[in-house]
Amino acid sequence: GAVVSQHPSWVICKSGTSVKIECRSLDFQATTMFWYRQFPKQSLMLMATSNEGSKATYEQGVEKDKFLINHASLTLSTLTVTSAHPEDSSFYICSARTAGTGGRTEAFFGQGTRLTVV
Amino acid sequence: GQQLNQSPQSMFIQEGEDVSMNCTSSSIFNTWLWYKQDPGEGPVLLIALYKAGELTSNGRLTAQFGITRKDSFLNISASIPSDVGIYFCAGRVSKTGGGADGLTFGKGTHLIIQP
Repeated sequence: GAVVSQHPSWVICKSGTSVKIECRSLDFQATTMFWYRQFPKQSLMLMATSNEGSKATYEQGVEKDKFLINHASLTLSTLTVTSAHPEDSSFYICSARTAGTGGRTEAFFGQGTRLTVV
Repeated sequence: GQQLNQSPQSMFIQEGEDVSMNCTSSSIFNTWLWYKQDPGEGPVLLIALYKAGELTSNGRLTAQFGITRKDSFLNISASIPSDVGIYFCAGRVSKTGGGADGLTFGKGTHLIIQP
C-alpha cells in the first residue's frame, strides 16, 4: 500500500523556538495533505488542509501564523510550529491523498511526530 | 463544528469474544471510515463505507453505514490479542474522489483483551 512518512518521529525543543515537521508521500503524488493534532488519550483534530501549490485552509481556532504549512511539491508538505510553547506539545499526524479519478481514494496517514516543548 | 459520538469509550473483553462499537452524529456524513491506531503510530484504515445502508467486511471486521447517514457501527468477531488498540470512527462530508475535505474523528474506543 501507499506509504506516508513523517520526520522526525519525535522532537524536543525549547520554549520559544520553532520546529519543522515533514510529511512525504513516498510512492504516490499527494495533491492534498492534511495535518491533525492529537493530545494524549484524545481524538485526532483536523488542523488544516493543504493542496499542492496553494495556501493551506485552516480549521476554525487554528492560528495560521503559528502553524505554518507549506505544500510546495506533490510529495512533500511541511508544518512549522513557530515560537513553540509547552501547550503546543502534542502528537502531530499528517495524511496524504491523491486526486480521485472517480474511484475511491482515501488518505494514508504518516506515523506521527511527538512534539515536546520544554 | 461537527462531532462524532463514539461508544463505548473502552472495552475489556476475553479473547475469542465478539466486539461491537458505534458512532453517531447530529449531522450527515457521506463517507464513514473506521481506523485502528496503535500507541505512537498513525491510524490505519480498516474499512471504508460510501453508501447509506452499505455493509462491508474485512476479515473478522464488519462495518455498516447507517441508513440515516448519521451513524455507523463496527463489529469484530472472535477477538485475538493483536486486536488490542484504539479504534476510531471518522466521517467525511464529501463522497469519493473529488472532495478534499478532512475527516472528523470520534473519540475512540480503547479495546483491551484479557487472556
